[in-house]
Amino acid sequence: DTGVSQDPRHKITKRGQNVTFRCDPISEHNRLYWYRQTLGQGPEFLTYFQNEAQLEKSRLLSDRFSAERPKGSFSTLEIQRTEQGDSAMYLCASSLEPLGTGYEQFFGPGTRLTVL
Amino acid sequence: GIQVEQSPPDLILQEGANSTLRCNFSDSVNNLQWFHQNPWGQLINLFYIPSGTKQNGRLSATTVATERYSLLYISSSQTTDSGVYFCAVDLTGGQLIWGAGTKLIIKP
Repeated sequence: DTGVSQDPRHKITKRGQNVTFRCDPISEHNRLYWYRQTLGQGPEFLTYFQNEAQLEKSRLLSDRFSAERPKGSFSTLEIQRTEQGDSAMYLCASSLEPLGTGYEQFFGPGTRLTVL
Repeated sequence: GIQVEQSPPDLILQEGANSTLRCNFSDSVNNLQWFHQNPWGQLINLFYIPSGTKQNGRLSATTVATERYSLLYISSSQTTDSGVYFCAVDLTGGQLIWGAGTKLIIKP
């Protein structure tokens, strides 16, 4: 078990370009979460999946943001027409489906996006 | 929505000192986690503790769910303990709601 992995670790892009980030969860975990963290703040929830189903997406920041998990394994987060305000750390986490009320989320190293 | 407040916001200590970090939350929760974010941004799981007390080496945590707070204790601080400590809670088994963090600096 290598933990949650994210690719790329860093991305620099120009305003208006599209970017896509990948997250590979811990292998037996069926839940996958995306968060965004700006400097000096705690992470902010964006969306999550159980297997391939996207259970919550109302917190995606705008219609420029979308996420997929087509086979219930890895996930991608796409930002279209990037803006300078999208510059942030994008974090992915995974967990097992809660047993009763209990579960624990584990985080990847993040993708740091800089929009010029 | 649920509010999560952490205190103090900043803490500067000498190596070897002990510290207590606090997390208050405004509603009953299903999940509470403590994390340490290192200078490279990696979030490291410290405790999954919706209630009760746990210990792991020099770190321990207590959550009193009925009074809606959790405490993280760090004993005999080391410089590698520096970083930001976050408390995060969840109501429904999905999204974590985060506090603003406590920035800890341990001086040698």
